[in-house]
Amino acid sequence: QLQLQESGPGLVKPSETLSLTCTVSGGSISSSSYYWGWIRQPPGKGLEWIGSIYYSGSTYYNPSLKSRVTISVDTSKNQFSLKLSSVTAADTAVYYCARLALWFGEPREFDYWGQGTLVTVSS
Amino acid sequence: QTVVTQEPSFSVSPGGTVTLTCGLSSGSVSTSYYPSWYQQTPGQAPRTLIYSTNTRSSGVPDRFSGSILGNKAALTITGAQADDESDYYCVLYMGSGILVFGTGTKVTVL
Repeated sequence: QLQLQESGPGLVKPSETLSLTCTVSGGSISSSSYYWGWIRQPPGKGLEWIGSIYYSGSTYYNPSLKSRVTISVDTSKNQFSLKLSSVTAADTAVYYCARLALWFGEPREFDYWGQGTLVTVSS
Repeated sequence: QTVVTQEPSFSVSPGGTVTLTCGLSSGSVSTSYYPSWYQQTPGQAPRTLIYSTNTRSSGVPDRFSGSILGNKAALTITGAQADDESDYYCVLYMGSGILVFGTGTKVTVL
């Protein structure tokens, strides 16, 4: 059974960089059939796609966040990571990692989700 | 900026049927957007219900179905149960690896 687990600091200061890691178990992050992604949800609000990565390092980012986001992959550890720079209170959210199924080379939908981790931006 | 719109809320009686929709601020939703649907209960991670317009994810009851209705994607719950009370989100694939979530619909069963 595939499992995804987010980890990282729960509190980040304004203007600093938020860093999270997603560890994948029960499956290989190097599978050619999937992308891996990050999604966030501010308290009481809706879901927002942040970006996705392939095991080769190929990435797609939400245009509204692209200037501040870096997603990377470490196949040796079966992990992928998120960095979001210059954070403000508006970046306070539950951050989820997820797997995306590939159809004809396109990552069109999410199929497995992590449980999420709350990151608060505050001094 | 693309906005994917959903009804803010719906109420349905136990055993009843409800249809949620997912539209675009400009333009029509078609199967080419590969709409998918997700269920989220408070404090929990989303769960995948439907992908590629109308394919149920593994283990999803057949009372959930997806379709295109007019110019929108639709999720229909037939024979609603108490544990269907959740938030529901659609996602549209915009091409070039870009995904956009809908605004979400809160469904109450009472």
